[in-house]
Formats: sequence, C-alpha cells, structure tokens
Amino acid sequence: DVKVTQSSRYLVKRTGEKVFLECVQDMDHENMFWYRQDPGLGLRLIYFSYDVKMKEKGDIPEGYSVSREKKERFSLILESASTNQTSMYLCASRLGGVGELFFGEGSRLTVL
Amino acid sequence: DAKTTQPPSMDCAEGRAANLPCNHSTISGNEYVYWYRQIHSQGPQYIIHGLKNNETNEMASLIITEGRKSSTLILPHATLRDTAVYYCIVRVQGSSGGYNKLIFGAGTRLAVHP
Repeated sequence: DVKVTQSSRYLVKRTGEKVFLECVQDMDHENMFWYRQDPGLGLRLIYFSYDVKMKEKGDIPEGYSVSREKKERFSLILESASTNQTSMYLCASRLGGVGELFFGEGSRLTVL
Repeated sequence: DAKTTQPPSMDCAEGRAANLPCNHSTISGNEYVYWYRQIHSQGPQYIIHGLKNNETNEMASLIITEGRKSSTLILPHATLRDTAVYYCIVRVQGSSGGYNKLIFGAGTRLAVHP
C-alpha cells in the first residue's frame, strides 16, 4: 500500500518562528501536494511539485515556500509563522497526472 | 475557487443507499470528476473518478449525467463508518500546462444513522 507520512501530527510554534513540515511517500510518485484545511473552507492548495526541484504555486502560496530535493520528500516551509497559519496541513502524492491522490494523516499546526 | 456545488449536509439511514449529488455545470470536455471522503481526524481518501461513463468499484458507484453537468455518488448500503465529508472535485489543468491539480470545495457532510 502507498504510504504518505507526515513528520508531525501536532505542532505548537510561536509567531515569527521558522517551521518545517515534512512529507515522505514510498511509492515513487512524481506529483506531491501541500494543502491546508480550515473549517468552512475545505482544502486549499498551497503548492505542488511535479518532479524533483520543480514546484508550482497553488491557490494560497503567500507566506509559504516548498522544497523538493528528493523525489520521495516534499517539505513545506513557513519562513516566519503567523497566527493566521494555524491550520491542518495535508500532504498528498500521486503517480501521474490522472488518478487518485494519496493523503497523509495531516499535521495540525498551532501558532501562538 | 472550486468548480463544483454540493449540498452542505445529508442524512442517510444505515443499510440504505446514500446518493450524494454534485453540480459541475462549467466542466470542460477533458476534465475528470473525482470523489474523495474525509473521516474525522484523518486525511482524505480516494473513492472513485470518471470522465463520461458511469463507474463502479468496491466502494461506490459514480453516475455522470449526459452532458456531464452533474454527477451522483452512490454508496449502495451505507454503514455508520461511511459518516464523513464527501468531496466532489473537477480536475483543473495546472498553469504550467500538463500538470494537474485538484481543487477541493467544502464538500457534503454525510451522517449515517442507525
């Protein structure tokens, strides 16, 4: 079975801290995605990557950056965390352009 | 913004069929319809997807209307474990051309009751 693993289920950070959210998938998928999920807003795409070192902005990239140095790993970076970035963050991967997304369990980030 | 419209919530009795509607009136000819669900505190789970024809798998059936402006996800015998938020999604072409992203809306909260 495909496994998408997110490094932390729960994090608490302070405003202004740099935050790294790590995601690893074990099925050699080309596409990887970062979403955030907030009540009443559904899932919103932050960034996605279709190959190593390749990235594309999603709908809400402001305040975030990403890194894809290896195919299996896709990192989301909050350079200077703010309280409005308190959210559930979901990583997903997919083999190609068509087909199902496999999601991780999510990382719930609280910024104080 | 998401290109789909779903009712915010629905109820279903255990053992009955759950029929979840989705409108996607602006869908393009080469866009697929995907369905996912999210059980509380878990990541979303893929259910099914289709382009034109009706599809069925071990989890559900997907009925796409002629003209493709709407679709219905059918859970033939709903169980309590099917209580979740169900997302209907239309695949959107990425701006780099050829790399696609999925845009999720608010979904339908399905409650299955005994």
